[in-house]
Amino acid sequence: GAVVSQHPSWVICKSGTSVKIECRSLDFQATTMFWYRQFPKQSLMLMATSNEGSKATYEQGVEKDKFLINHASLTLSTLTVTSAHPEDSSFYICSAPRNTEAFFGQGTRLTVV
Amino acid sequence: SQQGEEDPQALSIQEGENATMNCSYKTSINNLQWYRQNSGRGLVHLILIRSNEREKHSGRLRVTLDTSKKSSSLLITASRAADTASYFCATDARKTSYDKVIFGPGTSLSVIP
Repeated sequence: GAVVSQHPSWVICKSGTSVKIECRSLDFQATTMFWYRQFPKQSLMLMATSNEGSKATYEQGVEKDKFLINHASLTLSTLTVTSAHPEDSSFYICSAPRNTEAFFGQGTRLTVV
Repeated sequence: SQQGEEDPQALSIQEGENATMNCSYKTSINNLQWYRQNSGRGLVHLILIRSNEREKHSGRLRVTLDTSKKSSSLLITASRAADTASYFCATDARKTSYDKVIFGPGTSLSVIP
């Protein structure tokens, strides 16, 4: 199956700093990628759709200035959590579709202290 | 936003018993996927069933899909302690080839040795 790599797998940062998470499709091109957030003991909530070469589409209630998404190439999308606060601590996971199937990265556990 | 509902939300069974989890969704779909997530870890893809399929098997897993009722079930037979995890169904709305995948709230399965 297709491979999606997400980096880093975990990160701890200080409150007020920014954190960048990368999502790469390793063996296929993805014009679209999706970013999800998961709080403890909850399901994955779609945050935004990342579109190669154009602006991301954000789900209702997700602050686009807080969660910056860049999809500069057909194999890389990045999510930057700006001015992170403890309430941003969560598990973030990306996915890239290929042939109507979704392939997921390993996820990034962000802890803001 | 979440597309589907899953029941039960939590399920506890003895090792060797069968576990059945159900998922309902709201819109027409291309396919439905089931995932497993161990605590604090990434997603493991279990099985994909397409909208024109009614039943699919993979090892101890059996998935059914009823598009008229917009529901799916995941049956794990002869459960093992290692099956303890959260299980999510995920659907993609039938719009484009790369439409977003939406997760249900999940079922937390505990298999008691």
